[in-house]
Amino acid sequence: GAGVSQSPSNKVTEKGKDVELRCDPISGHTALYWYRQSLGQGLEFLIYFQGNSAPDKSGLPSDRFSAERTGGSVSTLTIQRTQQEDSAVYLCASSPSSPPDTQYFGPGTRLTVL
Amino acid sequence: EDQVTQSPEALRLQEGESSSLNCSYTVSGLRGLFWYRQDPGKGPEFLFTLYSAGEEKEKERLKATLTKKESFLHITAPKPEDSATYLCAVPTPGRSGNTGKLIFGQGTTLQVKP
Repeated sequence: GAGVSQSPSNKVTEKGKDVELRCDPISGHTALYWYRQSLGQGLEFLIYFQGNSAPDKSGLPSDRFSAERTGGSVSTLTIQRTQQEDSAVYLCASSPSSPPDTQYFGPGTRLTVL
Repeated sequence: EDQVTQSPEALRLQEGESSSLNCSYTVSGLRGLFWYRQDPGKGPEFLFTLYSAGEEKEKERLKATLTKKESFLHITAPKPEDSATYLCAVPTPGRSGNTGKLIFGQGTTLQVKP
């Protein structure tokens, strides 16, 4: 079946602009996660959604970052007033049920802030 | 603080030369350990989940094992197509007490030469 999809695959923006990154999880998966992967930092957890529960936002690096999940499916990660240090690959994952279930990753969105 | 450490950082093997990758972890109550493979420019691809010490899982030339303090990914008679970065991760509770957050090691980059 279809895996996790993310769009765009690449995004180049100017410092100070807002960007939106989209994630379509595997159909039927109830949990959705966002991670960031940058050189020298490895994979860092950002936020986690499970069903209708309040999201776990403990990994968001600043209040410029926010995410929502509509209808229990598609999620959008928004970065406001982008900074050069936001440049990274943003990865989305989904899992069939509650953690610690296996997380399946999408291909990622490579964000470059000039 | 929960931690995951992988070694070596990089490994070069000749085709057919077997070896092992190490993943050491420190967590307050293991809820599973995950191995992923990541090719350049792609998202992590799920390989194995191990839940308890003594557990082993195999897939083609790969075998993952788990003890109370570490996990090994054994690669038997590797081929050039096994070249990739191998990541291990453990779930850790977020602020809400769930275990949606994965902590990743820095990865081992494997290169298999023909």
